[in-house]
Amino acid sequence: AQSVTQPDIHITVSEGASLELRCNYSYGATPYLFWYVQSPGQGLQLLLKYFSGDTLVQGIKGFEAEFKRSQSSFNLRKPSVHWSDAAEYFCAVGAREYGNKLVFGAGTILRVKS
Amino acid sequence: EAEVAQSPRYKITEKSQAVAFWCDPISGHATLYWYRQILGQGPELLVQFQDESVVDDSQLPKDRFSAERLKGVDSTLKIQPAELGDSAMYLCASSSTRDNPYEQYFGPGTRLTVT
Repeated sequence: AQSVTQPDIHITVSEGASLELRCNYSYGATPYLFWYVQSPGQGLQLLLKYFSGDTLVQGIKGFEAEFKRSQSSFNLRKPSVHWSDAAEYFCAVGAREYGNKLVFGAGTILRVKS
Repeated sequence: EAEVAQSPRYKITEKSQAVAFWCDPISGHATLYWYRQILGQGPELLVQFQDESVVDDSQLPKDRFSAERLKGVDSTLKIQPAELGDSAMYLCASSSTRDNPYEQYFGPGTRLTVT
């Protein structure tokens, strides 16, 4: 069965510090990988996506993520966090073989302290 | 910039009542998805439409939930009767089969509270 694991429920970082959010997946097909961000009471905004090619992908708001097939991971990073980055972050996996249905992780809540 | 529209944004209903949510996808997007997001969890797919046809409703509780997309454009998700455990955020998303079929665009969601 397809599954996505985000091992950290909460993460707190200081403003200006670097950030890494972890995502591991288990999937029976070549995956497409996504990171979404959700502010309280809002829908999901796509930060970045990986379909194929270069395993380091750049997204909006200064975020990047690296696909590591050998580790089944797609970790999200940002070199310097801003207070406005406080939100909940979701990793998601899809595949054409599964009708492009997305399977989401449980999310990581990011808190930024000044 | 085109967006997915949902209404209402918030709904409070008593258990055993009927409730309906509406979604208007981005123009031209043939694929429409309804997700349910329980507090503290990631979204879970309830139903997926391709045009007016259901392609995946394996996680839809069909005894009380129904979804339709009659003309292949906007969609309605209904719950009847609502139960306390249905309290959640209901998210609609759409994607294009032409431009980038694997990228889903989400609406703002409908927050349902069942009392």
